[in-house]
Amino acid sequence: AQSVSQHNHHVILSEAASLELGCNYSYGGTVNLFWYVQYPGQHLQLLLKYFSGDPLVKGIKGFEAEFIKSKFSFNLRKPSVQWSDTAEYFCAVIAKNSGTYKYIFGTGTRLKVLA
Amino acid sequence: NAGVTQTPKFRVLKTGQSMTLLCAQDMNHEYMYWYRQDPGMGLRLIHYSVGEGTTAKGEVPDGYNVSRLKKQNFLLGLESAAPSQTSVYFCASSPSLSGRPSTDTQYFGPGTRLTVL
Repeated sequence: AQSVSQHNHHVILSEAASLELGCNYSYGGTVNLFWYVQYPGQHLQLLLKYFSGDPLVKGIKGFEAEFIKSKFSFNLRKPSVQWSDTAEYFCAVIAKNSGTYKYIFGTGTRLKVLA
Repeated sequence: NAGVTQTPKFRVLKTGQSMTLLCAQDMNHEYMYWYRQDPGMGLRLIHYSVGEGTTAKGEVPDGYNVSRLKKQNFLLGLESAAPSQTSVYFCASSPSLSGRPSTDTQYFGPGTRLTVL
């Protein structure tokens, strides 16, 4: 079955530290990849997405992610985190399979940034 | 422009009761979705709709029904609530900009926290 794995469930960092959140998926066909973020008390919102072209995509607030097809991975990175990056981060895969769409989210990673 | 709104925000039901969750979007989006979020499970798709009058099953459709009578509204119904349906329910919508919904950004509502006793 298709799945999305986020191995880090909770991450605590100090401000200015670098961030990398892992995301691996299991699906053999063409996929489109997303990272969503949910700040405390706010709606889920898109950070960035990849569906074709340059496998290194840049999103809002200095985040970027790299699609490595051979590793089935789409890890999220930020060189220097800020206290305001404290949030829950979700990796998602959307794929088309036999005419229907599969929408699969990971379990999320809670990031806490210490001031 | 309110985006995606959900009604109600909180609800407590007894086992066997029924209820309907309402999702509304004012962005003229074609696609709408209902997810549930449970601890350690991420978001799981319940049902979705690719246009007015159409619905399709997602990953966990059992125990739920949906309707999309108007383009801007997507209703999620629980006919006979069970404790296993205690969850946070999120609605989302996405446009059909490219004709390929798999590439479109989803816009989420604030969620409905449902407890079934």
